[in-house]
Amino acid sequence: GQQLNQSPQSMFIQEGEDVSMNCTSSSIFNTWLWYKQDPGEGPVLLIALYKAGELTSNGRLTAQFGITRKDSFLNISASIPSDVGIYFCSNNNDMRFGAGTRLTVKP
Amino acid sequence: DGGITQSPKYLFRKEGQNVTLSCEQNLNHDAMYWYRQDPGQGLRLIYYSQIVNDFQKGDIAEGYSVSREKKESFPLTVTSAQKNPTAFYLCASRALRPSGANGLTFGAGSRRTVL
Repeated sequence: GQQLNQSPQSMFIQEGEDVSMNCTSSSIFNTWLWYKQDPGEGPVLLIALYKAGELTSNGRLTAQFGITRKDSFLNISASIPSDVGIYFCSNNNDMRFGAGTRLTVKP
Repeated sequence: DGGITQSPKYLFRKEGQNVTLSCEQNLNHDAMYWYRQDPGQGLRLIYYSQIVNDFQKGDIAEGYSVSREKKESFPLTVTSAQKNPTAFYLCASRALRPSGANGLTFGAGSRRTVL
């Protein structure tokens, strides 16, 4: 089956720093979805991308659908403590998820 | 408010016991999914259903069973054959119409611990 690789696996940053993470696939996707999971909770959809090259923002979050349709990037600007959690990428082809990027923000 | 309700939130069972996790949604979503999340790991698909009375195996279906008798409900039974000691089970749903390009709505999860 297709592979979804997320990097980095974890990040430890200072409050106020910008964050960048990405996801790559072994197959072409029609949709990229980014979710955030708070500790002990279910993931919540942050951003959905539907077209190659698309750049979409949601507050301090910006995500891009790669031109090759095999990758996507999520950036968080000016991080705050509540950004802590696990960020997952996924797609609507087969509803599989990457292993996640675990973000820790130090005040 | 519309959403997905999972129960129980916490579950402690001895080895050899089957247990059924409940998942109910009032979002009128067509498709429902079960994922397992092991400590420090990502989400792995157990089973999914896109229509009533039909369901498909995911990547780790062994030791699990499901049913989809109603659109709103997708219970998961963890059988005694499932050996993982501790796992977090997440139920999710999504609409398939007007297009399949919709994200998942997740429940709050059920945490199972084997004593």
